[in-house]
Amino acid sequence: DQQVKQNSPSLSVQEGRISILNCDYTNSMFDYFLWYKKYPAEGPTFLISISSIKDKNEDGRFTVFLNKSAKHLSLHIVPSQPGDSAVYFCAASPTGTASKLTFGTGTRLQVTL
Amino acid sequence: DADVTQTPRNRITKTGKRIMLECSQTKGHDRMYWYRQDPGLGLRLIYYSFDVKDINKGEISDGYSVSRQAQAKFSLSLESAIPNQTALYFCATSDTTSGSYNEQFFGPGTRLTVL
Repeated sequence: DQQVKQNSPSLSVQEGRISILNCDYTNSMFDYFLWYKKYPAEGPTFLISISSIKDKNEDGRFTVFLNKSAKHLSLHIVPSQPGDSAVYFCAASPTGTASKLTFGTGTRLQVTL
Repeated sequence: DADVTQTPRNRITKTGKRIMLECSQTKGHDRMYWYRQDPGLGLRLIYYSFDVKDINKGEISDGYSVSRQAQAKFSLSLESAIPNQTALYFCATSDTTSGSYNEQFFGPGTRLTVL
């Protein structure tokens, strides 16, 4: 039972355009959500997070949107850059903290020139 | 120097062998975690430890055991390795003592192959 789902295994976007990565969850107890980026041969690195009391959190080129009623979150990257090419994981926690994370299966983003 | 280190980085072993993966951190964090990553399945939690005396099973703990030797060290053991334990293993840490709850920090991973 996949509680956190990333239905798009891959996404290709042109440099300078917007990248939108989507994530759906089924567990109503999740109240803290994170996005991680992973390059080959490296561990995942934290990108941005959002608490369930918010519907938007922005950090530079990265914005995460949360729609609690739809149990859906998305990560927007604007403008996309070649260095953004990586695998992006959505993660969720029921504790309000970055503990006991449940991860999605990941979306591979390729930013083309 | 990396804050979360894992040894070895790569390991090939045979079915039935006992193997230990080690994780050390210099971040001073209280919580540590072990995950495995399989293609198409994302990262799944194996064990987690909130402090030296607190060890908890994660989603997929069968076939694994852990030891938290000190706040900075958390090792994962496969008592009798089997081929379906071939995966990429990650250690992670998080900090609650300073009031920072925002993220987990991951090590570089150990690629384990069981023949």
